[in-house]
Amino acid sequence: GAGVSQSPRYKVAKRGQDVALRCDPISGHVSLFWYQQALGQGPEFLTYFQNEAQLDKSGLPSDRFFAERPEGSVSTLKIQRTQQEDSAVYLCASSLLSVGQGLYGYTFGSGTRLTVV
Amino acid sequence: AQSVTQLGSHVSVSEGALVLLRCNYSSSVPPYLFWYVQYPNQGLQLLLKYTSAATLVKGINGFEAEFKKSETSFHLTKPSAHMSDAAEYFCAVSDQDSSASKIIFGSGTRLSIRP
Repeated sequence: GAGVSQSPRYKVAKRGQDVALRCDPISGHVSLFWYQQALGQGPEFLTYFQNEAQLDKSGLPSDRFFAERPEGSVSTLKIQRTQQEDSAVYLCASSLLSVGQGLYGYTFGSGTRLTVV
Repeated sequence: AQSVTQLGSHVSVSEGALVLLRCNYSSSVPPYLFWYVQYPNQGLQLLLKYTSAATLVKGINGFEAEFKKSETSFHLTKPSAHMSDAAEYFCAVSDQDSSASKIIFGSGTRLSIRP
């Protein structure tokens, strides 16, 4: 597609429920990033994929968070046993290159707003 | 570790006035620097980026930023504010040297425009 697509746009989950958030990056983009943006804050890095390889997951806040990109295109961020502090906008971004992404920056999706009640 | 600090969580200017949003960075290696804009319920859009080619960087919508190494700053400016500039602005930094360099964002500055 022309841009990064995320679904669903909005998700309300009951505390303790598992959720799965999907990201469709721009076709051919090698790098894929997930960020978490709490209300009134800047995006916080969660994890990074280069093709199907998860090269950095240092930002995942707990072992309840899991991300995958099995075929090097679509990615899914899964949150198990959701808690209220997980409420945030989850942003996905992709980049054409595997190195020097800074030269181009990223292209961001519109995000998924997760509300845990 | 890299970081950016945005001074002022909220800036309000009159339409037609100068816009100045401040950003200071910390990096032990040559940085890439970015400004992104976020409109309500939307993702982040790249305004401009510094990649060491020129210290004065021009971006979209009339914005520009100047990289000042001596001051470790990358402030965003626009000579004349428009109502449509009202949004959240994020300064960000990444590492030029790393092969898998993530972008680190500041906490953001909300820009309001008074009629």
